[in-house]
Amino acid sequence: AQSVTQLDSHVSVSEGTPVLLRCNYSSSYSPSLFWYVQHPNKGLQLLLKYTSAATLVKGINGFEAEFKKSETSFHLTKPSAHMSDAAEYFCVVSALGAGSYHLTFGKGTKLSVIP
Amino acid sequence: NAGVTQTPKFRILKIGQSMTLQCTQDMNHNYMYWYRQDPGMGLKLIYYSVGAGITDKGEVPNGYNVSRSTTEDFPLRLELAAPSQTSVYFCASSYLKGGPEPQHFGDGTRLSIL
Repeated sequence: AQSVTQLDSHVSVSEGTPVLLRCNYSSSYSPSLFWYVQHPNKGLQLLLKYTSAATLVKGINGFEAEFKKSETSFHLTKPSAHMSDAAEYFCVVSALGAGSYHLTFGKGTKLSVIP
Repeated sequence: NAGVTQTPKFRILKIGQSMTLQCTQDMNHNYMYWYRQDPGMGLKLIYYSVGAGITDKGEVPNGYNVSRSTTEDFPLRLELAAPSQTSVYFCASSYLKGGPEPQHFGDGTRLSIL
């Protein structure tokens, strides 16, 4: 069985300050991990993915995430928030179970950016 | 690039009505998926397909049906709409199922049942 916990349902930051969105996972097998972003009335767009290569993963729009196996975490960061970063972010784990891959979505973190 | 296209974008249905949500992709992906998104709940898998003619249930299939006659199209049908089916529906596709392969999403269909 696998699960994803996004530790904050809502994060608010000021423009130009760092962003930290937290994600913990559990998986019986070596997982692949993804962060997706969803802007209002839009679908989910891939930000970045971890697939057992480098533990520090760089994505689009200045976001990056670090895979920490010992802490079962995959937190998303950005050094300086921009107004256009206001959106909902989903952490997703994909792992092999019962002979097939299963995708599990976190419940999402809504990021607000204050001017 | 079109990617995954969903129609309609919005729809209001009355209880008991039926409708089909359309999804088409132009990336020649074998795998396609239907999800529903409810506030604060993330995405739940309704049905998926591994290729033309092959479909399987996901986590929340009750009240829905799917078919896959071509690689490109994967429609989702609601036969007897119920208020509990008010949700945002997303179609997605991928080249492989799971592992390191990300899914590509459409912009969603916002469905209200009154």
